[in-house]
Amino acid sequence: KAGVTQTPRYLIKTRGQQVTLSCSPISGHRSVSWYQQTPGQGLQFLFEYFSETQRNKGNFPGRFSGRQFSNSRSEMNVSTLELGDSALYLCASSMVPGNTEAFFGQGTRLTVV
Amino acid sequence: ILNVEQSPQSLHVQEGDSTNFTCSFPSSNFYALHWYRWETAKSPEALFVMTLNGDEKKKGRISATLNTKEGYSYLYIKGSQPEDSATYLCAHRNNAGNMLTFGGGTRLMVKP
Repeated sequence: KAGVTQTPRYLIKTRGQQVTLSCSPISGHRSVSWYQQTPGQGLQFLFEYFSETQRNKGNFPGRFSGRQFSNSRSEMNVSTLELGDSALYLCASSMVPGNTEAFFGQGTRLTVV
Repeated sequence: ILNVEQSPQSLHVQEGDSTNFTCSFPSSNFYALHWYRWETAKSPEALFVMTLNGDEKKKGRISATLNTKEGYSYLYIKGSQPEDSATYLCAHRNNAGNMLTFGGGTRLMVKP
């Protein structure tokens, strides 16, 4: 069974650009969550999608957005990139939201220069 | 407690030592407590999901306990091995927003 796949693994962008990151969940999983990790910070929750609907959103500006497709694949988009957006972005999939285990991908390392 | 807090931040032990660390979380509106192990350059790996007060879970040499009334969980590693070196994360899910809130992690280093 394939794990959670995130693409790309590494990305370098310049300030002001926008970026789209992709997450393919484990087959059969319908819930996808996104997290940001910056140096010195723990994992910060961005948003959670289930059945193509955003269920929860963390405390991030509107430049951060996401969506989920009918095949449960999810994308997150960051517009007007800032230097502080440089981080590891992780996505996690689970069968449904709630107390079930969440399985993480290896993340996308975004560097904004 | 408003946030999820883990202590200590880092820990160095010798191979063979047993160790434990703490996760503190808000006791109100509790739904679930997750533990993850995160090795450098890999994905966080789920260890346990705990939901009931008094829960105890075990996987090999690693075990965890949960006290939802006072808002803490302990993770124990018996006879630490160098391959146990990783960051151990706990995450709390409440029954309001239903999202995971992570602690800052405990970085464990086991010396051979």
